[in-house]
Amino acid sequence: EAGVAQSPRYKIIEKRQSVAFWCNPISGHATLYWYQQILGQGPKLLIQFQNNGVVDDSQLPKDRFSAERLKGVDSTLKIQPAKLEDSAVYLCASSRPLSGTEAFFGQGTRLTVV
Amino acid sequence: TQLLEQSPQFLSIQEGENLTVYCNSSSVFSSLQWYRQEPGEGPVLLVTVVTGGEVKKLKRLTFQFGDARKDSSLHITAAQPGDTGLYLCAGALWGGGADGLTFGKGTHLIIQP
Repeated sequence: EAGVAQSPRYKIIEKRQSVAFWCNPISGHATLYWYQQILGQGPKLLIQFQNNGVVDDSQLPKDRFSAERLKGVDSTLKIQPAKLEDSAVYLCASSRPLSGTEAFFGQGTRLTVV
Repeated sequence: TQLLEQSPQFLSIQEGENLTVYCNSSSVFSSLQWYRQEPGEGPVLLVTVVTGGEVKKLKRLTFQFGDARKDSSLHITAAQPGDTGLYLCAGALWGGGADGLTFGKGTHLIIQP
């Protein structure tokens, strides 16, 4: 079974530039999450999708972050414009649609904003 | 405020020693999960505990879910260098429906040979 695929693995941009990350979840997983993990800390949920609908985006900084999951499969997360404090690893995870179900994570995209 | 508090934040011990790390909250969870994360990788699930008071063993690792479903512990016996990593607890809030997992900040564990 293929795992969660994310790209790119690494990205370096200047502040105020835009960046987009892509995620392809495990086939059949209706739930998709984007997490932000700052160095040395645990992941923080940014947004959760159930199929192509948003379940929870309460911690997404909506003035600069946006995410979509068209057709309920793969997803993109965009930051526009980026700030220095956005430097982090952005993890995508997917799971079956039940609370507390195991989340399978991708390797993440390490973003550095300079 | 951090919903799940993990302690200690950092732990460095010698190979062969035993250790316990803790995950505490004032909130009730329907389930708690423990993940291990290595540098450059995403977290990987170790165990899920769902019943208050539940104890699960995975080789040298023992996981316990508190009776009140607010806390959990991970005990490692005879730690080995391969146990080094970031240990994360994550919970699904009681009555949270399809809410995403909430993670603690993690315990950085280093096992020295």
